[in-house]
Amino acid sequence: DGGITQSPKYLFRKEGQNVTLSCEQNLNHDAMYWYRQDPGQGLRLIYYSQIVNDFQKGDIAEGYSVSREKKESFPLTVTSAQKNPTAFYLCASVGGIEQFFGPGTRLTVL
Amino acid sequence: SQKIEQNSEALNIQEGKTATLTCNYTNYSPAYLQWYRQDPGRGPVFLLLIRENEKEKRKERLKVTFDTTLKQSLFHITASQPADSATYLCAPSSYNTDKLIFGTGTRLQVFP
Repeated sequence: DGGITQSPKYLFRKEGQNVTLSCEQNLNHDAMYWYRQDPGQGLRLIYYSQIVNDFQKGDIAEGYSVSREKKESFPLTVTSAQKNPTAFYLCASVGGIEQFFGPGTRLTVL
Repeated sequence: SQKIEQNSEALNIQEGKTATLTCNYTNYSPAYLQWYRQDPGRGPVFLLLIRENEKEKRKERLKVTFDTTLKQSLFHITASQPADSATYLCAPSSYNTDKLIFGTGTRLQVFP
């Protein structure tokens, strides 16, 4: 059953802590993306990767970091430098033009 | 800078009517435009793609138009059903870019 998985679905973090969000895909897609969505707002691009071992900053990369060591995995770390990390995070992969999204992770900073 | 505008106000229509959602863009010329559906608390799901040389595209009860002169796409749902209630996002794009920019989406509510 092909698709994208994100874990966990809900994540709580104390201020000052780093946290890593998981994104895995078995669609054999080269390109993967991380977005952030806030209430009433659209999707904002954090980081993206076109190929293994390479990634680029999106529009709001400050306070985030990523790695792409394997084709199927693109984890996102939300660092303590991110001023307002509470949001809904979405991972996506692209095989041609269409983007396939994961179910999302809702991060709440306590 | 590139800008995508979708009606931020929710669209409320009665079941059976046709829903029409608008996507306007400025400061670029996309080669194609995609529409996605997003349910609360879930990731967007791809619905339709229309290319710049296509005026209209249909898929079951969905119809999309693309007017490159007006810089606008219209998304229609005919014979709407309560199950069509969701937020609909548009994403105009070009072939020479690896980034997809989404509009803020329009929330559609279909009531019985």
